[in-house]
Amino acid sequence: AQSVTQLDSHVSVSEGTPVLLRCNYSSSYSPSLFWYVQHPNKGLQLLLKYTSAATLVKGINGFEAEFKKSETSFHLTKPSAHMSDAAEYFCVVSDQGGSNYKLTFGKGTLLTVNP
Amino acid sequence: DAMVIQNPRYQVTQFGKPVTLSCSQTLNHNVMYWYQQKSSQAPKLLFHYYDKDFNNEADTPDNFQSRRPNTSFCFLDIRSPGLGDAAMYLCATRASTDTQYFGPGTRLTVL
Repeated sequence: AQSVTQLDSHVSVSEGTPVLLRCNYSSSYSPSLFWYVQHPNKGLQLLLKYTSAATLVKGINGFEAEFKKSETSFHLTKPSAHMSDAAEYFCVVSDQGGSNYKLTFGKGTLLTVNP
Repeated sequence: DAMVIQNPRYQVTQFGKPVTLSCSQTLNHNVMYWYQQKSSQAPKLLFHYYDKDFNNEADTPDNFQSRRPNTSFCFLDIRSPGLGDAAMYLCATRASTDTQYFGPGTRLTVL
């Protein structure tokens, strides 16, 4: 069985300051890990994906995430927050052990960016 | 260039009145998914199609049905919507990798 824990339900930062959204996972297999972003009343947009090629993954809009197997973590960071980054962020693990690649979602972290 | 399209974006229906939500894709992906997302929650998988093979999640209510007439289109039918079915409904697709691509969603309101 696999699971995802997003350690913060809400993170608030000031514009221009760094962003850190924390995610821990458990998986019986070598996981694929994703970060998706969801703006209000919109669908989920893929930010980045880890597949084992490199532990530091760069995504869109200046986001990146580092896979740390020893800590079972996949935290999302951005050096400088922008107002447009305000959204819900989901950390997701894929069930590579099954043929259907089911996704397990974290509960989400709401990012607020203050001017 | 929209790749996963959902129509309508907002749907209002009455309690008990059947409703159909639509999803289409231009990616030619063989797998399509339907998720239900309630307010401030993560998406919950309802079912998915692998080509024409339908796969229902064990806890998906019988009130929810789906059709996939061809590769490009997939429909979600709610036979008798209740107030608890008000949610965002998300369609997603994938090809051979495990990356899913989501549509913009349909927000369903039940009066």
